[in-house]
Amino acid sequence: KNQVEQSPQSLIILEGKNCTLQCNYTVSPFSNLRWYKQDTGRGPVSLTIMTFSENTKSNGRYTATLDADTKQSSLHITASQLSDSASYICVVTRASGGYNKLIFGAGTRLAVHP
Amino acid sequence: GAGVSQSPRYKVAKRGQDVALRCDPISGHVSLFWYQQALGQGPEFLTYFQNEAQLDKSGLPSDRFFAERPEGSVSTLKIQRTQQEDSAVYLCASSSSVRGGYGYTFGSGTRLTVV
Repeated sequence: KNQVEQSPQSLIILEGKNCTLQCNYTVSPFSNLRWYKQDTGRGPVSLTIMTFSENTKSNGRYTATLDADTKQSSLHITASQLSDSASYICVVTRASGGYNKLIFGAGTRLAVHP
Repeated sequence: GAGVSQSPRYKVAKRGQDVALRCDPISGHVSLFWYQQALGQGPEFLTYFQNEAQLDKSGLPSDRFFAERPEGSVSTLKIQRTQQEDSAVYLCASSSSVRGGYGYTFGSGTRLTVV
């Protein structure tokens, strides 16, 4: 079954601290992996997208890693800010002949406290 | 427009009522997707359009759900005889890619509450 599992479910950190979110997947055939940030009441916004051959990709204070062999990804947030409080969703694209289907994880809810 | 626009932002429906949710994709985007997002969960796929053609509706949970995109731009998701389990945020996304692989942009969603 095509699945995307994220951990932890929720996380509380103090402003300025770093954190790492995890994503394991069993989606096949694999096309790419994305991390999205979803603020409350908003649609998901793309942070990074990585293909099979990419091991790491950064977007400002966000750094995503991908190990396609173990089917694991992580999102590292450096020097967290209050505005980082949101849900972070790992999404794996399953390649197909017709169209590419996105498989979403349940997300990690991050709360950054002052 | 500059982004994907969904309306209404919030909808409260009495059980048994029919509702229609609208999605205005980015102009020129050929691919359009609908997702259902339950509280605390990730989005779940409902249906996919390539222009006006509905190529995949395997995610629609029942025959009470119907989606259309008659002219290949604006799309409407209709839910008939709403039930409490239909309460969720309904997200629309569009992509310029024919296969929908890249350039995904999501709307802010419509939060449906069935009472």
